[in-house]
Amino acid sequence: QSVLTQPPSVSAAPGQTVTISCSGTSSNIGNNYVSWYQHLPGAAPKLLIYDNDKRPSGIPDRFSGSKSGASATLGITGLQTGDEAVYYCGTSESSLSAGHWVFGGGTKLTVL
Amino acid sequence: EVQLLESGGDLVQRGGSLRLSCAASGFTFRDHAMNWVRQAPGKGLEWVSVISGSGGRTYYGDSVEGRFTISRDNSKNTLHLQMNSLRAEDAAVYYCAKGEFAVPAAMGGLGVWGQGTTVTVSS
Repeated sequence: QSVLTQPPSVSAAPGQTVTISCSGTSSNIGNNYVSWYQHLPGAAPKLLIYDNDKRPSGIPDRFSGSKSGASATLGITGLQTGDEAVYYCGTSESSLSAGHWVFGGGTKLTVL
Repeated sequence: EVQLLESGGDLVQRGGSLRLSCAASGFTFRDHAMNWVRQAPGKGLEWVSVISGSGGRTYYGDSVEGRFTISRDNSKNTLHLQMNSLRAEDAAVYYCAKGEFAVPAAMGGLGVWGQGTTVTVSS
């Protein structure tokens, strides 16, 4: 059972928009920065969003992040077949230390 | 180009030991905390351990505390994970991941990941 809660799967058609939720508590998401990762089979996880809503260079603006209270959301617009992957949210668990990371269980995105 | 390359994954017997390594290049290694994150077959990402840029601070996940030891050699730009008393549930792909700052923190995210190295535990 993961500390952060994500839906196991989401799906949408190409060109559409999808959101993935990540729910935690005040000791993790509520008081720490959230990041999002895209994980394609056989590849290294890739940072999509950091510090709740910032995109690293090279990440298209189709990807966006937001946080409210103890929940965070990843949004993907203009879905492409290449977006099919598992998406994870991650943050620190303050009840342990700033260095303790926790991840969501992952959400598999299917682009129909 | 920033790169991380893991090595050392192998088939090991239950109760055995293994040492993983992660070679870093393309950035000032000592300026960044480094993490190990693993993914067991069919499971999600699980954070394992982190070490500060200087090596002076280390933290571990509950499932590996007391059995695994993280270390780094800043003169060789290399991160290590010594894994002892291995259990079946330790079987996974192990990734090293670069933190944004020298102190372990969620700020900045884990910006670069290696391709992973596979640990298999047999009975």
